[in-house]
Amino acid sequence: GDSVTQTEGLVTLTEGLPVMLNCTYQTIYSNPFLFWYVQHLNESPRLLLKSFTDNKRTEHQGFHATLHKSSSSFHLQKSSAQLSDSALYYCALSDRSNYNVLYFGTGTKLTVEP
Amino acid sequence: DAGVTQTPRHEVAEKGQTIILKCEPVSGHNDLFWYRQTKIQGLELLSYFRSKSLMEDGGAFKDRFKAEMLNSSFSTLKIQPTEPKDSAVYLCASSLAPDWGGANYAEQFFGPGTRLTVL
Repeated sequence: GDSVTQTEGLVTLTEGLPVMLNCTYQTIYSNPFLFWYVQHLNESPRLLLKSFTDNKRTEHQGFHATLHKSSSSFHLQKSSAQLSDSALYYCALSDRSNYNVLYFGTGTKLTVEP
Repeated sequence: DAGVTQTPRHEVAEKGQTIILKCEPVSGHNDLFWYRQTKIQGLELLSYFRSKSLMEDGGAFKDRFKAEMLNSSFSTLKIQPTEPKDSAVYLCASSLAPDWGGANYAEQFFGPGTRLTVL
């Protein structure tokens, strides 16, 4: 079945350093849709980024990610971390076969320190 | 336009009790989802409705969890009987139906969640 792997459960960074959160996925379908959702403390998850185009960079709110079908990856990056980036980040997959079902990774908690 | 609403925001139950969580999706949305969120497992899908029809009922949760959609603007999640391991945040989300042919993804909008504690 479909699955998403986020290898880091916790990431702690110093403000100003680059951010990279890993996401890899498994699916038998050739045209998956990949997403990043962000959840700040005491808030609900909200969509941050989405993509279905191979090798095309997508950007939003200073974050960017590129879907690489060859390596089944969709890593989240930012050039310079801010304190306000501290949050829980979920990578998710839709294989577009099962209506609107999303398969979520277990999440990465990012903490940015001064 | 109102977002997804969930009640109650907090629930404390004794082991063995029956609890009912409620959700009102965004007006006009076709799809409704129930998720369980824990620190270890992250977001787990419990149920998925398309236009009030149950499309997916999370296999591991079938025995004590039952979601219903009585009309297009209201859904409930019943847990019966509750167990301490059910302590978690329960999130409801809704979306429009996606148009995959047009590569239009229907964003899922999440409610504030219900934090359930089972003693």
